[in-house]
Amino acid sequence: NAGVTQTPKFRILKIGQSMTLQCAQDMNHNYMYWYRQDPGMGLKLIYYSVGAGITDKGEVPNGYNVSRSTTEDFPLRLELAAPSQTSVYFCASSTSNRVGNVLTFGAGSRLTVL
Amino acid sequence: QQQVKQSPQSLIVQKGGISIINCAYENTAFDYFPWYQQFPGKGPALLIAIRPDVSEKKEGRFTISFNKSAKQFSLHIMDSQPGDSATYFCAASITGNTPLVFGKGTRLSVIA
Repeated sequence: NAGVTQTPKFRILKIGQSMTLQCAQDMNHNYMYWYRQDPGMGLKLIYYSVGAGITDKGEVPNGYNVSRSTTEDFPLRLELAAPSQTSVYFCASSTSNRVGNVLTFGAGSRLTVL
Repeated sequence: QQQVKQSPQSLIVQKGGISIINCAYENTAFDYFPWYQQFPGKGPALLIAIRPDVSEKKEGRFTISFNKSAKQFSLHIMDSQPGDSATYFCAASITGNTPLVFGKGTRLSVIA
């Protein structure tokens, strides 16, 4: 049971390049999320999905796009990379327990834009 | 607008001491308050969570205290150990699987 798998773990991009961060989960969770983490700034939600074919913007969606064609996969695309997108990106999926929503995070993808 | 305010930003505690991290929220509709723990190079993982119908929840050395009238909640780590050194995030959401809103995190260092 792999949980949430993110690829790549590290990537360096030049300004203006594009790339896709991959995220896959094998827990059959309907909900999936992309967060970015910057030092001292916590986790900010980029996009999320409540199921295949449904996506919605989070707090910081500009410069990103997502798609959700299957329950398992939730790729994040960066178009025209900018230095402000240098960050660590976390994908997560969620299910509910007796108390509430429980997020399972991937190990993260560290992106540097130069 | 920062919906969940977390303090302190960093904390150093002696081994065996009590670590206390505080969070405050504005949205009275929030009804789910989890804490996540993150070790370097890893993704965050759920540590403990509480709903507003109780004022305290304890799991081992970790306790959440919740004050609904003050719109505050805190994490207490008793008998802190070097292995507790990590970044801790408080979060909040509204039931119905709305996305979690996270605080900015607290970097805890437990020194021997």
